[in-house]
Amino acid sequence: DTEVTQTPKHLVMGMTNKKSLKCEQHMGHRAMYWYKQKAKKPPELMFVYSYEKLSINESVPSRFSPECPNSSLLNLHLHALQPEDSALYLCASSPRGTTSGGYMIYEQYFGPGTRLTVT
Amino acid sequence: AQSVTQLGSHVSVSEGALVLLRCNYSSSVPPYLFWYVQYPNQGLQLLLKYTTGATLVKGINGFEAEFKKSETSFHLTKPSAHMSDAAEYFCAVTPGTYKYIFGTGTRLKVLA
Repeated sequence: DTEVTQTPKHLVMGMTNKKSLKCEQHMGHRAMYWYKQKAKKPPELMFVYSYEKLSINESVPSRFSPECPNSSLLNLHLHALQPEDSALYLCASSPRGTTSGGYMIYEQYFGPGTRLTVT
Repeated sequence: AQSVTQLGSHVSVSEGALVLLRCNYSSSVPPYLFWYVQYPNQGLQLLLKYTTGATLVKGINGFEAEFKKSETSFHLTKPSAHMSDAAEYFCAVTPGTYKYIFGTGTRLKVLA
């Protein structure tokens, strides 16, 4: 099963609301990611969790707050968002691998995304 | 530093014709290369990957790509386009870390 699930599929929220996005995978992957994707653009990395610890924060505004409660779940808490935060939010997960050269190879598996509209 | 260039933001082919989507990369370390497809309002689906070994990589839906180190290229091909291939295609590279460098994407249109 190479499936990453995301809920909700669509979300409309006002600028004063608090909401959360949820991501789940049961592939045993220990790295999970949040991306933001604007129309006609590639995904932009926001956060990476490795072994349930925040590994990378790409200078994301504090109105986005990630959480990794366990190895299968990833949340993104949203508060006081701006209209320009409207986008497709993608979750991904990846397994770890090694080569004889010692590099770790990370193929990422993406969920279907949450379409967020901030009004 | 690594980078990815996808030549042609839009490509149109006739149904049944060859599909060729271009990807060139730059990397100071051995690259790991990927092609993803994205259908409207969906996530990215892994088409194929190159890590080490055979330079001709076969993926899903009849796609394949060839890693050419001398040309720093990883072009995606499919012998015969189908209407269902219409989508956005992204090439990505990583040095083996969590960070992907994505290309800007190529929108493939298939004409009946």
